[in-house]
Amino acid sequence: DAGVIQSPRHEVTEMGQEVTLRCKPISGHNSLFWYRQTMMRGLELLIYFNNNVPIDDSGMPEDRFSAKMPNASFSTLKIQPSEPRDSAVYFCASSSGGSVNQPQHFGDGTRLSIL
Amino acid sequence: GESVGLHLPTLSVQEGDNSIINCAYSNSASDYFIWYKQESGKGPQFIIDIRSNMDKRQGQRVTVLLNKTVKHLSLQIAATQPGDSAVYFCAAGRENNDMRFGAGTRLTVKP
Repeated sequence: DAGVIQSPRHEVTEMGQEVTLRCKPISGHNSLFWYRQTMMRGLELLIYFNNNVPIDDSGMPEDRFSAKMPNASFSTLKIQPSEPRDSAVYFCASSSGGSVNQPQHFGDGTRLSIL
Repeated sequence: GESVGLHLPTLSVQEGDNSIINCAYSNSASDYFIWYKQESGKGPQFIIDIRSNMDKRQGQRVTVLLNKTVKHLSLQIAATQPGDSAVYFCAAGRENNDMRFGAGTRLTVKP
């Protein structure tokens, strides 16, 4: 079975550029989550969707970050403009239960470096 | 606010021994707890979870123990194998609230 698919796996760009991270959840899962992982702060939930609708975006660090889920099989996380402190590994996860508090299936992440 | 921490950042065990990874949480209202395993270059992988109405749950070679009195949970891995080498995260959450992850413990299994 295909798991959660993220692209790109690696992204290196200069500060000020727009960055778009992509995620394809597991087919049939109705919840999608975006996380950021850094050495300093660990794994942090940024936003999650149920049935394509954003439920909680309180973890989104600032207005430079936005996330969309136009359909059940695709989501994007966009950073504009990007800054060096946004460098991190960004994970997408999906689940079938509709709540944060359940097992989630993670993709292998996008390693983002902002120069 | 919620904070979730681990007692040790690293743990080294001999192959075949049992491993115990500990985790403390701060929010007494937390009612759902989960353990993930993360291998290098990969995303976290679900291991086992437990709800606050239980104090023990067993899976294949793994057991999670929950002590709500002292807000502590542990992950026990029986007969640790080289493939168990990874970073292990605990997380705690409340219904309709975000889940907070611990910093992780790196488990190294020596042959």
